[in-house]
Amino acid sequence: GAGVSQSPSNKVTEKGKDVELRCDPISGHTALYWYRQRLGQGLEFLIYFQGNSAPDKSGLPSDRFSAERTGESVSTLTIQRTQQEDSAVYLCASSHQTTDTQYFGPGTRLTVL
Amino acid sequence: GESVGLHLPTLSVQEGDNSIINCAYSNSASDYFIWYKQESGKGPQFIIDIRSNMDKRQGQRVTVLLNKTVKHLSLQIAATQPGDSAVYFCAETGDTGTASKLTFGTGTRLQVTL
Repeated sequence: GAGVSQSPSNKVTEKGKDVELRCDPISGHTALYWYRQRLGQGLEFLIYFQGNSAPDKSGLPSDRFSAERTGESVSTLTIQRTQQEDSAVYLCASSHQTTDTQYFGPGTRLTVL
Repeated sequence: GESVGLHLPTLSVQEGDNSIINCAYSNSASDYFIWYKQESGKGPQFIIDIRSNMDKRQGQRVTVLLNKTVKHLSLQIAATQPGDSAVYFCAETGDTGTASKLTFGTGTRLQVTL
């Protein structure tokens, strides 16, 4: 595709529910990244994939957060038993290699009521 | 832990003037730095990058300066336009030595006045 796409663009959920966020990277990009951005703040690294494996999961805030990637393409970020502090914009980026520029999608705005 | 920070949270400039956005970083092992522009409701957009073996890099209307001695990074925008209004983030690679994990600053909002 022309750029990184993410869905849904907005998600409102109730506390305690599970949510899945999807990222479609730029075609051919082997590296994929997830970040979280709280209101008025910078981006926090969550996890990155090289191919389908995740060498660095150090940014995941808790065991309620998980991510997977299949076919060296689509990735899903799952948040189980959502809490209000999970409310943020979740951004996905991809790059050709891990040393290359990261290109971002528009993000998914998650609101936990 | 290591961090990247910005000196000014908001910068207001007149259209046509030059803008300078500053960033301080604390990890001397970082070797790759990037500036991103983020407009409201959108993801960050790559502007320009620089590696630690350089001290200056120019793009179209933008220049990034890197001072490794004082661990300072700046973004200069020439002839600032209303379309430049956005939040600007600096980012660094941290101690991984690659671009696999970026550490972002909190951002500077640039407001362009007519």
